[in-house]
Amino acid sequence: KAGVTQTPRYLIKTRGQQVTLSCSPISGHRSVSWYQQTPGQGLQFLFEYFSETQRNKGNFPGRFSGRQFSNSRSEMNVSTLELGDSALYLCASSHGQGNTEAFFGQGTRLTVV
Amino acid sequence: GENVEQHPSTLSVQEGDSAVIKCTYSDSASNYFPWYKQELGKRPQLIIDIRSNVGEKKDQRIAVTLNKTAKHFSLHITETQPEDSAVYFCAASKVSGGYQKVTFGTGTKLQVIP
Repeated sequence: KAGVTQTPRYLIKTRGQQVTLSCSPISGHRSVSWYQQTPGQGLQFLFEYFSETQRNKGNFPGRFSGRQFSNSRSEMNVSTLELGDSALYLCASSHGQGNTEAFFGQGTRLTVV
Repeated sequence: GENVEQHPSTLSVQEGDSAVIKCTYSDSASNYFPWYKQELGKRPQLIIDIRSNVGEKKDQRIAVTLNKTAKHFSLHITETQPEDSAVYFCAASKVSGGYQKVTFGTGTKLQVIP
């Protein structure tokens, strides 16, 4: 069974640009959550999608958005990049119904210069 | 909403000693508490979990305890080894409206000194 796949693994962007990150969940998982991880800040929750609908949203500005497709793959978009957006972005997939384990991807390391 | 606090943020122990990481949660509806380990440069992975109908669960050198009344749960690692060095995240989860809501703690960086 393939794990959670995130692409790309590394990205370097300049301030003001936008970026799109992709997450392919484990087959059969309908929930995808996104997290921002910076040193000393733990896992900051961005949003969660289930069956193409955003169910939960964290406290991030509107520059951060996402979507989920019918095959459960999810994308996250950040517009007008700022230096502070440099971080590891992790996605996690789960069944989404009932209390179950979350499976994380390897993450995308975004550097904004 | 749920609030999960995790302490300490960093922890250094000598190899062979025990390590304890504590978490508190605020929502009494939370009933599933997983712990994740993230080694340097790798993804977080589940190492142990506990459900609210159980007070303690053990898996070799790691154990988790849960006190529902006080709303806190802890991870215990005995006979620590250098490979235990990692960041550990606790989480509290509940099912609301038919779907799962998970809240993570802020993480504990554990360093095991050989």
